Amino acid sequence: QQQVKQSPQSLIVQKGGISIINCAYENTAFDYFPWYQQFPGKGPALLIAIRPDVSEKKEGRFTISFNKSAKQFSLHIMDSQPGDSATYFCAASISNFGNEKLTFGTGTRLTIIP
Amino acid sequence: DAGITQSPRHKVTETGTPVTLRCHQTENHRYMYWYRQDPGHGLRLIHYSYGVKDTDKGEVSDGYSVSRSKTEDFLLTLESATSSQTSVYFCAISESGGQETQYFGPGTRLLVL
Repeated sequence: QQQVKQSPQSLIVQKGGISIINCAYENTAFDYFPWYQQFPGKGPALLIAIRPDVSEKKEGRFTISFNKSAKQFSLHIMDSQPGDSATYFCAASISNFGNEKLTFGTGTRLTIIP
Repeated sequence: DAGITQSPRHKVTETGTPVTLRCHQTENHRYMYWYRQDPGHGLRLIHYSYGVKDTDKGEVSDGYSVSRSKTEDFLLTLESATSSQTSVYFCAISESGGQETQYFGPGTRLLVL
């Protein structure tokens, strides 16, 4: 059973636009929500992460919005650039004294067109 | 980039043969992970290690075994490969586990015929 549901599966955005990727979860015990970025032929790399004690976290053009009551979190990419074209994965984990395991969403392939 | 290498990078094998994938790190990180990546499934944890000789199962561990005899090496073995194990396998490391950043290797593309 998919514990973290990610949408859309693919997304095409014009250069300069806002890219929005959404994730929803069921398990309210999740307390850490990272986003990973993966370029073709490479391994994923951490982009930004949030904990549920804040509703938003911003790093440059990348923002995570978190809605605890709706059990949803999203990644917003402002002023999207062709270099942002990649696959994005949301994930979640539960604190477990160091042995936390990440549960990943199914990924969103983002394409930024000129 | 974190010092993580995976070998081989590509492998083609036949059903029923044993396969071992190697992950090597130069960061002296305590935690190491093996994931598989498949379309429509994202990344799924196979096994992980929290120290030398200390390992635990992940979400999709059936058909896989692991070993960690040294801090820097984490081996993933498919005892008898099946076509359903065709996938891209990623190793990841984390300094102290928990909710610290995981650094991923470049991946191994495995095709089981």
